[in-house]
Amino acid sequence: QVQLVDSGGGVVQPGRSLRLSCVASGFTFRSYGMHWVRQAPGKGLEWVAVIWYDGSTTYYVESVKGRFTISRDNSKNTVYLQMNSLRAEDTAVYYCARGTQYSGRGHFDNWGQGTLVTVSS
Amino acid sequence: EIVMTQSPGTLSVSPGERATLSCRASQSVGSNLAWYQKKPGQAPRLLIYSASTRATGIPARFSGSGSGTEFTLTISSLQSEDFAIYYCQQYDNWPPITFGQGTRLEIK
Repeated sequence: QVQLVDSGGGVVQPGRSLRLSCVASGFTFRSYGMHWVRQAPGKGLEWVAVIWYDGSTTYYVESVKGRFTISRDNSKNTVYLQMNSLRAEDTAVYYCARGTQYSGRGHFDNWGQGTLVTVSS
Repeated sequence: EIVMTQSPGTLSVSPGERATLSCRASQSVGSNLAWYQKKPGQAPRLLIYSASTRATGIPARFSGSGSGTEFTLTISSLQSEDFAIYYCQQYDNWPPITFGQGTRLEIK
């Protein structure tokens, strides 16, 4: 069965960096676009970033452009989110999610369990 | 950016009754719309995609309808496990992919 395991969250000071990981299993990882979605405390879901199946294309929500980088290693079935220059408003539970094949455009049919990122001094 | 607006913000319904949740897009998204269920401490769960297709393993009491800018999620006979927050999501015009603000479904 499809499984996504998120990790890497923690407490970090404003301006510092953190890297999240999501290890996938149970499907042909290299064929699927992958996303990161976050939920701040008491708020709704917010899409953060997507990476195409081959890593050739990435897109970001405006608020993280230039600070966050999504990447993947298809040999390790892993997608990453490198978060730099973190701000208090980046505090959230971060979920990786599987999109549709290739570009990932479409619904998210499987999600990781989430990893909490807290940005605080 | 397409803005998704859900209504009502909170819906109070008794178990066994029908619940109707609405989602409106600021411009047409065709049928490129999904619905998710979110419970505290759990990952979101895909319910409906392509506006009306139930995801794998989703009970038949969940149904979706609509196209263009107006969409509805109907839960025909509420079970105790259905009380949660529901989000719609458009994936027609992206980036960015956008979600509605959510509808909280609570027990009356």
